Amino acid sequence: QIQLQESGPGLVRPSETLSLTCSVSGGSLRRSAVYWSWLRQSPGKGLEWIGYIYFTGSYKYNPSLKSRVTMSVDTSKNQFSLNLKSLTAADTAVYFCARDLGASEGFDPWGQGTLVTVLS
Amino acid sequence: SYQLTQPPSVSVSPGQTATITCSGDTLESSHACWYQQKPGQSPVLVIYQNSQRPSGIPERFSGSNSGNTATLTISGTQAMDEADYFCQAWDSSLYVFGTGTTVTVL
Repeated sequence: QIQLQESGPGLVRPSETLSLTCSVSGGSLRRSAVYWSWLRQSPGKGLEWIGYIYFTGSYKYNPSLKSRVTMSVDTSKNQFSLNLKSLTAADTAVYFCARDLGASEGFDPWGQGTLVTVLS
Repeated sequence: SYQLTQPPSVSVSPGQTATITCSGDTLESSHACWYQQKPGQSPVLVIYQNSQRPSGIPERFSGSNSGNTATLTISGTQAMDEADYFCQAWDSSLYVFGTGTTVTVL
């Protein structure tokens, strides 16, 4: 069965760029009608969808984060990535990657999540 | 950011029925999904398309959507069902989540 695993730094300085990678195992990224999403969860803001990317490279971002987000996909490595720039303390959260089956189908499964703390 | 509204907490006795609501205008034109999250774990999809259960999810979990309110029902609640539950839907150009409900099995 498909599994996802996030990787990246746990501590980032304010104003810097966060880079996270999600490795997919047990299945291919190159699936029709399957999208690959990033989400985050913080105590103050709950769960928040950051955006998704398709294996072709097409994407959609949350309008509230659009100006700071870039996503990419590497089908040869079966990975997709998130870059979030101009970090502030408000970006401190647990970041998840997840398989996105579509608007009505839900996110399934999720990675285990990685805690990112923005701290000087 | 826009969030769907859920009650902060629901308490239920073992074997009884827990009902969790999720309200928001977008639910009138969008399907709802529900997730279970236990402490220190990732969310798990328990309902999609308002009322469909993924493979492996017990039959005691059911869902419905009417008007601007979606509902998750846990029938015959067990101690293992104690967790946080979140609803989720699509709103125009982004996915939105509920504020979350903590289910306590007393």
